[in-house]
Amino acid sequence: EIVLTQSPVTLSLSPGERATLSCRASQSVSRSYLAWHQQKPGQTPRLLIYGSSIRATGIPDRFSGSGSGTDFTLTISRLEPEDFAVYYCQQYGSSPYTFGQGTKLEIK
Amino acid sequence: EVHLVESGGGLAQPGGSLRLSCAASGFTFSGCAMNWVRQAPGKGLEWVSVISGNTFDIKYADSVKGRFSISRDNSKNTLYLQMNSLRAEDSAVYYCAKKRDGSDSMGLFDSWGQGILVTVSS
Repeated sequence: EIVLTQSPVTLSLSPGERATLSCRASQSVSRSYLAWHQQKPGQTPRLLIYGSSIRATGIPDRFSGSGSGTDFTLTISRLEPEDFAVYYCQQYGSSPYTFGQGTKLEIK
Repeated sequence: EVHLVESGGGLAQPGGSLRLSCAASGFTFSGCAMNWVRQAPGKGLEWVSVISGNTFDIKYADSVKGRFSISRDNSKNTLYLQMNSLRAEDSAVYYCAKKRDGSDSMGLFDSWGQGILVTVSS
């Protein structure tokens, strides 16, 4: 099983700032099959990024993903108020499909 | 528009059983792999199981293997999760999630139901 470790656990930033979230895998993620999901309080998760760097339909271009192998990054270039949420990375290259524990992005 | 609606949750005793259903609409259900993902209260996401559109390929998380069984009825556009030998740690909101069209991995999902709460307690 691939274990995903996200850092930091909590990130406190202000609107307009740049956010950088990290996801590290215990072994190489096959074909860079790494996704990022956003979850706001009381809502279902939403797919943001898949294939490490491909934005899902309707996702603003301030969201970008990068990485390969065992190290992946989600960057939000300029934070909007609606971006404050919990972000999960997920690998779907091999079963069991695992999630990281999440990074909570909170308003400073 | 994709629409996924879970039902069948509630309170179960340790060692008991529940069957969850997920009614799907807005896409070709029979051609689409479907997943169950759960989230314990205040915790993160945990993938539970997946079934291919033709039911030939089924996978489970180790935490539920041997206790949970995923199935589907393509004539009713419905996904199921039979949960047996329930434990307190199975308490969670259970989401059904649709595989993203075009993905060659069953584990990439882009549409989620609203979720259904399962509580295991005596």
